[in-house]
Amino acid sequence: DVKVTQSSRYLVKRTGEKVFLECVQDMDHENMFWYRQDPGLGLRLIYFSYDVKMKEKGDIPEGYSVSREKKERFSLILESASTNQTSMYLCASRPNTGGNTGELFFGEGSRLTVL
Amino acid sequence: QKEVEQNSGPLSVPEGAIASLNCTYSDRGSQSFFWYRQYSGKSPELIMSIYSNGDKEDGRFTAQLNKASQYVSLLIRDSQPSDSATYLCAVSNFGNEKLTFGTGTRLTIIP
Repeated sequence: DVKVTQSSRYLVKRTGEKVFLECVQDMDHENMFWYRQDPGLGLRLIYFSYDVKMKEKGDIPEGYSVSREKKERFSLILESASTNQTSMYLCASRPNTGGNTGELFFGEGSRLTVL
Repeated sequence: QKEVEQNSGPLSVPEGAIASLNCTYSDRGSQSFFWYRQYSGKSPELIMSIYSNGDKEDGRFTAQLNKASQYVSLLIRDSQPSDSATYLCAVSNFGNEKLTFGTGTRLTIIP
């Protein structure tokens, strides 16, 4: 079974702190994604990566950065956390399928609260 | 206008009945369409994908796509209490790595 592991299920941080959310997948997938999920707004794409050291902005990249130094690991960084970044963060991975986007495999999510 | 729109619900359906979930999208270039199910407190999981006009059946689930009307639906036959979840519609362009999700419809199956 594909496994996508997010390092922390629950985090509480203070405004201005630097926050790292880690995601590791064990199926050698090329593509990895970070989404945030908020009530009434659904899943929104923050950043994605289709290869090591490659990254692309999603729909809401402001206030976030990412790092992909190894194929299996994709990190989301909040340089200076703010209260409006309180959310559920979901990491996902997907293999290259040569056309149609195929299935996303999600991690269990990291619920971040910024005080 | 939202790119992918769904009625947020909640949609309540008696056990054994057919649940009908609807989704509209704005980008006429969209090529790939997906339905994800998300149980409360859990991550989304893919239940259906559809790429061409018409119906696609998988067990109790049927996805329907009408590109001319920019409309995709999911029918769940013989609804079970275990089908109670939020159903997310997702859309992408051919070759585009990005999936755009709707906000989801919360479905409750009443025993």
